Amino acid sequence: DAKTTQPPSMDCAEGRAANLPCNHSTISGNEYVYWYRQIHSQGPQYIIHGLKNNETNEMASLIITEDRKSSTLILPHATLRDTAVYYCIVRVRGVDNYGQNFVFGPGTRLSVLP
Amino acid sequence: KAGVTQTPRYLIKTRGQQVTLSCSPISGHRSVSWYQQTPGQGLQFLFEYFSETQRNKGNFPGRFSGRQFSNSRSEMNVSTLELGDSALYLCASSKTGVEGEKLFFGSGTQLSVL
Repeated sequence: DAKTTQPPSMDCAEGRAANLPCNHSTISGNEYVYWYRQIHSQGPQYIIHGLKNNETNEMASLIITEDRKSSTLILPHATLRDTAVYYCIVRVRGVDNYGQNFVFGPGTRLSVLP
Repeated sequence: KAGVTQTPRYLIKTRGQQVTLSCSPISGHRSVSWYQQTPGQGLQFLFEYFSETQRNKGNFPGRFSGRQFSNSRSEMNVSTLELGDSALYLCASSKTGVEGEKLFFGSGTQLSVL
């Protein structure tokens, strides 16, 4: 099962900031939070990831709470092309507790409205 | 730098047949993982290969198998196809697959089983 929970859908006006929340209350100290997005029928696209500190890149900012139990992905100026399903992911141990893999939840469907 | 390449992009098979999908990871990446995406189950982890060895696997029947070659290219095979195997199959690569690394996805192979 996924180790994260996200709202199923959100709307955002074009040009405004989109703030996508994620809860990961069982995260361990050395586990990262990853964000990906998927536009219909394409492969998931990497956005950003972080461990403890807030992170920023050309696509987005990631704000992680001090207790690391939740985070927020911020798209500073959303455009229509940002309409996609956004996944917040914490990796989990494999079936035999060996290795680790990405477990995707249902994600948040973000609709950017004109 | 070329991204993750998956071939073919689309495939149509009939029940009972077998199919082989191919994935070429990003140059220098040695970890390759496979995911299945269906409307009902979402994105599910199949298995991960590193240095030609399966290092991690998900909860899929033995009809799903894979392998990795010395150049890190990977193939996955599904035997005795069932209607429920219709899905988007995604391949992803990373340098070594350890925690903290980005995972890069290909565009996927859309398999339809008739």
